[in-house]
Amino acid sequence: DAMVIQNPRYQVTQFGKPVTLSCSQTLNHNVMYWYQQKSSQAPKLLFHYYDKDFNNEADTPDNFQSRRPNTSFCFLDIRSPGLGDAAMYLCATSRDYAGGYTFGSGTRLTVV
Amino acid sequence: GESVGLHLPTLSVQEGDNSIINCAYSNSASDYFIWYKQESGKGPQFIIDIRSNMDKRQGQRVTVLLNKTVKHLSLQIAATQPGDSAVYFCAEIPNQAGTALIFGKGTTLSVSS
Repeated sequence: DAMVIQNPRYQVTQFGKPVTLSCSQTLNHNVMYWYQQKSSQAPKLLFHYYDKDFNNEADTPDNFQSRRPNTSFCFLDIRSPGLGDAAMYLCATSRDYAGGYTFGSGTRLTVV
Repeated sequence: GESVGLHLPTLSVQEGDNSIINCAYSNSASDYFIWYKQESGKGPQFIIDIRSNMDKRQGQRVTVLLNKTVKHLSLQIAATQPGDSAVYFCAEIPNQAGTALIFGKGTTLSVSS
């Protein structure tokens, strides 16, 4: 089945140690998104790629970066994780902004 | 900024009852709305969507109603089952180029047998 796959499901990282989360999709969607979801809160958009064009949200900290080497893959890099960055990170894809929004199962990040 | 929000953070119902989850949005330019279900430890799962040129759309056991006059969106779940227990989010796409999906705050639905 076509889907959005996030790896790993659970990630534990040390305070200040760079970490990378990955997302891949078989839907051939041209837009890929990264959301941060903290406990009991709604997902919050960090940034997204429309094709190769990167779109950063104004309040996304500089500590968060993203790469999209090709249509299928997108990475979230956290350069120096702090305790406040512990959250579920969700990847999503869509066809343009018109629909077909599909989410992965998320990566639960713990910072120790 | 403008955002989508839900009226109640929690809703408790008995199995077999009908559930209604509400959402108020403030961006009158929004033209596409989606309801998602999120179970613990999982990503949001698409339930149903509706565009602004419609006021009602039905799926299997679910109905979404859109009232553009008062900027209100609701999700109705018929014959609620224990497996419906989850957090429900409404999300919108403002009718602006380059705008992504924005989520409201979520309602936790608890279904008791």
